[in-house]
Amino acid sequence: GENVEQHPSTLSVQEGDSAVIKCTYSDSASNYFPWYKQELGKRPQLIIDIRSNVGEKKDQRIAVTLNKTAKHFSLHITETQPEDSAVYFCAASSNYQLIWGAGTKLIIKP
Amino acid sequence: DVKVTQSSRYLVKRTGEKVFLECVQDMDHENMFWYRQDPGLGLRLIYFSYDVKMKEKGDIPEGYSVSREKKERFSLILESASTNQTSMYLCASSLGGQTNSPLHFGNGTRLTVT
Repeated sequence: GENVEQHPSTLSVQEGDSAVIKCTYSDSASNYFPWYKQELGKRPQLIIDIRSNVGEKKDQRIAVTLNKTAKHFSLHITETQPEDSAVYFCAASSNYQLIWGAGTKLIIKP
Repeated sequence: DVKVTQSSRYLVKRTGEKVFLECVQDMDHENMFWYRQDPGLGLRLIYFSYDVKMKEKGDIPEGYSVSREKKERFSLILESASTNQTSMYLCASSLGGQTNSPLHFGNGTRLTVT
């Protein structure tokens, strides 16, 4: 079955710098890759997603890239701000079932 | 805006008790899910349902059961609570059909079994 690995588990960046979180997946049939953000004490919320027929998608300061050949996808956050501090989860969908990464705790240093 | 409501934010139960976690969504979503969230393990799927009275096992169904008698309500049942079921439980819903639609989560229930 599908397996999703997410790195790093913790990422600390200076405010204003960029942050990159990477995920790899094992099932080449996976075709949908969402990213969720979970702020402390709150529910996970979808921030961006990408489908397998697209290589990159941007939404303001966040972007996701997908490399189907290498079976990895990444979340990029530019000009990080304090409100970006959260745990970020990637997921991959195979047969409409989401398999989740373990999460990355992003810390924004002032 | 989709609202997914979990009946309790915090719950403390004793070993061996039968525990009910309730989840209600107000957007007529077909799909509903129960996850547990533990540090370093991400979100693990316990059970899901694509329709009323329908249920499917997820990755970690042992020790749990579910009930979906009405479209808007999906209940998670711990038949005999154990300490290793201490966790954060998240309910989610999404649009129906064979689609990859966004999950809408509830605020979670933090269950402690003593």
